[in-house]
Amino acid sequence: EAGVVQSPRYKIIEKKQPVAFWCNPISGHNTLYWYLQNLGQGPELLIRYENEEAVDDSQLPKDRFSAERLKGVDSTLKIQPAELGDSAVYLCASSLSPAWGQDTQYFGPGTRLTVL
Amino acid sequence: DAKTTQPPSMDCAEGRAANLPCNHSTISGNEYVYWYRQIHSQGPQYIIHGLKNNETNEMASLIITEDRKSSTLILPHATLRDTAVYYCIVRVSGSARQLTFGSGTQLTVLP
Repeated sequence: EAGVVQSPRYKIIEKKQPVAFWCNPISGHNTLYWYLQNLGQGPELLIRYENEEAVDDSQLPKDRFSAERLKGVDSTLKIQPAELGDSAVYLCASSLSPAWGQDTQYFGPGTRLTVL
Repeated sequence: DAKTTQPPSMDCAEGRAANLPCNHSTISGNEYVYWYRQIHSQGPQYIIHGLKNNETNEMASLIITEDRKSSTLILPHATLRDTAVYYCIVRVSGSARQLTFGSGTQLTVLP
């Protein structure tokens, strides 16, 4: 079974440019998460989706970050415009329905963003 | 979710068992203990989780003390590929809430 797929794996951009990250979760997983991981730290949640609905976006910087999960499968995370401090690894994770206690999260390889 | 405390680093000889401790003295009755690891330049990888009984899978064993205030992750025969940061996370299952990662333990398996 394929795991969580993310692309691109690496992205280098100039500050003030836009950037987008794509995530394809494990087939059948209703819940999708985007995490941010700064160097030397553990991942921190940005947004969580239940199917198409963003149910927890309290930690998403909405002035420059946006996300969508059309049709409740793939998701895209966008930054516009990017700032130097956005350099980090962006991780996507997915899990089955929490209603059945099947909420173990499985992570993709991440996208490493460098803003110059 | 309850806070966890782990040693910042540990070494283990290749082929020996690696025992990684975790303290979670404020754990609640409905909180599970999860273990993830993160190999350099990869995403976190799920290892195992448990509530109060000891658990074993193909990757590791999880030993939870009777009072549930601490646990130990055991890698029975560590290999060089087990070198990673290991995170112990306590959370309520079935809530789909975020995983709260601490600093973890950097395990280095030595040849």
